Amino acid sequence: DAKTTQPNSMESNEEEPVHLPCNHSTISGTDYIHWYRQLPSQGPEYVIHGLTSNVNNRMASLAIAEDRKSSTLILHRATLRDAAVYYCILATGNQFYFGTGTSLTVIP
Amino acid sequence: ETGVTQTPRHLVMGMTNKKSLKCEQHLGHNAMYWYKQSAKKPLELMFVYNFKEQTENNSVPSRFSPECPNSSHLFLHLHTLQPEDSALYLCASSQDPSSSNQPQHFGDGTRLSIL
Repeated sequence: DAKTTQPNSMESNEEEPVHLPCNHSTISGTDYIHWYRQLPSQGPEYVIHGLTSNVNNRMASLAIAEDRKSSTLILHRATLRDAAVYYCILATGNQFYFGTGTSLTVIP
Repeated sequence: ETGVTQTPRHLVMGMTNKKSLKCEQHLGHNAMYWYKQSAKKPLELMFVYNFKEQTENNSVPSRFSPECPNSSHLFLHLHTLQPEDSALYLCASSQDPSSSNQPQHFGDGTRLSIL
């Protein structure tokens, strides 16, 4: 059974912010939350990860709920190159548990 | 050359053939992984190697045989495969095999088709 739940698909207009939600109600205290994205014909690409505090990097921001049962990946300004499948993953030790991901469409 | 490289990118084989998939990482990592990605299904972890030793085998059929001769190279030997084994096979690596605070770096995969 998948440990994360994400919407199957989302749309965003180009140059607008995108908030991609993820529920992980069975998360344990030591699980890290990772986000990856996958473009067609490519392997998954690392986006960001965190444990409890919100995280920022050059690609995105990660907002983690206080109870850690959900998180949101924030793309501040969507571009056409951000169209991909986004995976929210719980990492336990070195095992990553992938869900089916959210397919993001960016509209010009 | 950097990152994780997988060869071949595409492979078509019959059910009685024997072939091997190759993965090489140039990141100095200590752990390597094989995943299977089938259409409409989440990525499935197949095997984990930490410092060349296999530490996980997630109930993978014996027709898939991994080999890790050193920390930089990982192979997946294939024999007598079934049509349902057609999928994208992804290799990944990470620095610390025991930590979930480490990203995994993926190759672009081998697209395998079984006739």
